[in-house]
Amino acid sequence: DTAVSQTPKYLVTQMGNDKSIKCEQNLGHDTMYWYKQDSKKFLKIMFSYNNKELIINETVPNRFSPKSPDKAHLNLHINSLELGDSAVYFCASSQASGQETQYFGPGTRLLVL
Amino acid sequence: TQLLEQSPQFLSIQEGENLTVYCNSSSVFSSLQWYRQEPGEGPVLLVTVVTGGEVKKLKRLTFQFGDARKDSSLHITAAQPGDTGLYLCAAAPGNQFYFGTGTSLTVIP
Repeated sequence: DTAVSQTPKYLVTQMGNDKSIKCEQNLGHDTMYWYKQDSKKFLKIMFSYNNKELIINETVPNRFSPKSPDKAHLNLHINSLELGDSAVYFCASSQASGQETQYFGPGTRLLVL
Repeated sequence: TQLLEQSPQFLSIQEGENLTVYCNSSSVFSSLQWYRQEPGEGPVLLVTVVTGGEVKKLKRLTFQFGDARKDSSLHITAAQPGDTGLYLCAAAPGNQFYFGTGTSLTVIP
């Protein structure tokens, strides 16, 4: 069974559209994360959720909003997509926050045209 | 300036060669992790180093944490094509997780 899964794997959309990326983990972890990996492969944290509470919110545009219906899910909703949002988005989870090992999903490749 | 700077950024070597990747920072960390990301996949943890000066070995990979816990190195002996990937160091000063700038390794058969 896949530990951390994301859907969709590929997402191609027009500028200005609204889209969502879903993430689920079956590891029983308490903390989930969203990362953005740019074209230079730099991996930057966007959000993390611990027990349904946002504990880290990096300086990302408010067009990005994480939503966690339960401990096993952390979805990412993006409004008014821009060209610069094109990247690979990774979901991850860990038992707790901080120094814990993170387990990553396979990534969602977003292309905004 | 990034919290964790890795060097080199790109490395292309022949199978069987040795290599070292560096992860440097001006900050002190209680621990540091190394991940490997293969093309089309998410990063996977290789090792966590905790003690200053600590050396950990994972088959042909040797990881060292600097004495001052500000830097780390990854040495690969007799590189194989399967070692190809993006190597990332990571640390969490406080409650926030940071990844390094990455080293993209290509091992040519």
